[in-house]
Amino acid sequence: EVQLVESGGGLVQPGGSLRLSCAASGFTFSSYWMHWVRQAPGKGLVWVSRINSDGSSTSYADSVKGRFTISRDNAKNTLYLQMNSLRAEDTAVYYCARQYYAFLADYWGQGTLVTVSS
Amino acid sequence: EIVLTQSPATLSLSPGERATLSCRASQSVSSYLAWYQQKPGQAPRLLIYDASNRATGIPARFSGSGSGTDFTLTISSLEPEDFAVYYCQQRSNWPTFGQGTKLEIK
Repeated sequence: EVQLVESGGGLVQPGGSLRLSCAASGFTFSSYWMHWVRQAPGKGLVWVSRINSDGSSTSYADSVKGRFTISRDNAKNTLYLQMNSLRAEDTAVYYCARQYYAFLADYWGQGTLVTVSS
Repeated sequence: EIVLTQSPATLSLSPGERATLSCRASQSVSSYLAWYQQKPGQAPRLLIYDASNRATGIPARFSGSGSGTDFTLTISSLEPEDFAVYYCQQRSNWPTFGQGTKLEIK
């Protein structure tokens, strides 16, 4: 059974940093591109970032470019999102997701809440 | 950025009825349009991809159609578990989602 479990969310002050993790199991993690998608409270979905299977290629939404870094450790079956210079508008539930086809996600984690507030 | 506009914002129907949800793109996305279902407190669930292909395990009562800029998700006969928020998503270039249609019980 495919499982994606996010962790690392919490309350952080504006300008602060946080690193999210997503532990994958039930599939060959190293074969799949992976993504982060976020959802502000009561709002819609926004694609944040993606990484290819070996970690050599990444892409970001303009809203997080230069502040967020996606990475992965295929030996640990874990996806990461390093978030720096956090802003109030980054407050959201962050989901990791497995790619089915390009920018199409077939499995999602349950999400981890990031709250940026003073 | 490609903007997706979903209509209606809220759809009130009864179990057994047919639901028709629309998604319009600000420019052509070819057939690169997907539909997701999201229930409160849960992650999105992929229903339809590339406009008309059902994802694995999705019941046949869900169908999708359209191409270019106009797309439709149809639920032929609503089951109680179908009441949720539905999002369309394009992957023609950097992915974007519609704002969602809430399907509620009448």
